Order: sequence, then structure tokens, then C-alpha cells
Amino acid sequence: DGGITQSPKYLFRKEGQNVTLSCEQNLNHDAMYWYRQDPGQGLRLIYYSQIVNDFQKGDIAEGYSVSREKKESFPLTVTSAQKNPTAFYLCASSIGGQVATEAFFGQGTRLTVV
Amino acid sequence: SQQGEEDPQALSIQEGENATMNCSYKTSINNLQWYRQNSGRGLVHLILIRSNEREKHSGRLRVTLDTSKKSSSLLITASRAADTASYFCLCSAGNNRKLIWGLGTSLAVNP
Repeated sequence: DGGITQSPKYLFRKEGQNVTLSCEQNLNHDAMYWYRQDPGQGLRLIYYSQIVNDFQKGDIAEGYSVSREKKESFPLTVTSAQKNPTAFYLCASSIGGQVATEAFFGQGTRLTVV
Repeated sequence: SQQGEEDPQALSIQEGENATMNCSYKTSINNLQWYRQNSGRGLVHLILIRSNEREKHSGRLRVTLDTSKKSSSLLITASRAADTASYFCLCSAGNNRKLIWGLGTSLAVNP
């Protein structure tokens, strides 16, 4: 089955710790995205990548880092510099190109700082 | 960042009724998409309408696009309890494919 997988589903982090969220896709998509969603809110873009070895900051990149060493993988690290990391994190992928096409989403990771 | 705006923010209807939600945006777009999100889950793509299209259907879904008013509507006909979810619009704008998400409409369909 083709799809996009996020892990883990739930993650707990102590204050001051870095934590990495996994996102893997086997759809052969060039573009991948990380979003943050707070309760009752829409999606805010953290980082996106149009192609391997390249990524761009989104609207709320501070306190986060990413890498895109492989086409199928786009891990997100939430660093201790992120002041309010408790949120629902969504990863997505799409074919890419100049005009947006259908995006496929993972099931999300809920991060809680304890 | 610029956000699309959706209304209503919340909608509660009875099973069998139609549900209409709207999305307005501020810039010229390439296309507009609608997504559905069940509570605590990822988003699922519903339908994409291009800027040169005015109406599109998919099953019980009907999407319209009025580029002169910079707005789109999503109509769900003969709603079911399983349609209960949040619905988001996504606008693709500009040559750099700037993506603009709406804040969502929360739909509750009561059995």
C-alpha cells in the first residue's frame, strides 16, 4: 500500500530535550511538508521541501529543524528552543511542481511536553 | 502568513440535511482544494477545483468557485453522521505555489 507514515502517534518530551518526529512516504513524491496544528486551529507550515537535499522555512520555523537526505524521508526535530512545543504535528507529501496538487497526510503525531 | 477564511466556524445539522461551508481568500489562485479531518487524525483530500473551473462534483460533494468574489463553497448533500468532521480549504497561489490554509469549519451531523 502506498502512503505516508508518521511515528510515533504519541510522544512525550521533558522540557529541555530535543525530540525527532518521523515521516516516511512511499508515494515517490518530491514535495514534503510539516505542519503544526493547535486545538481548534488550522494548519501552520513549519518547513517544506520541494526536492531531496533542499528545504525551506515555513511560517513558524523557529525552534524546529529538518533534513531531507532521502526522497522518502523528512524527519522533524523539535528543539529545546521551541517555547511551546505541545501540539499535533502533521506531515504531508505531494507530487510537487509549480502548481499544488493533492496532498497526502500522515495520521499525525501528538507531542506533549511534561 | 495570509490565511484563508472559512465560514461558518461551526455548523450543526440533522442527518439528511445539506451542509454548506464557504471559503474566502485574498489573492489570485491556481487552484483550491477541500480537505476533511476527523478528530485527532490526518487530513484527507476531498476535491480540487482549478481557477478556470466553476463547479465540480464528487459523489455527495459539490464545490463551486467564484474567482470574481474570491470565494468557494463546499456543499455536502444528504448528510450522514459519518460526515461529522472539520473541513479545510487550501488555496494554491502564485508561481512559487504559496499554500494558504483556511481555519476550518467544524461540522456536526446529528443522527
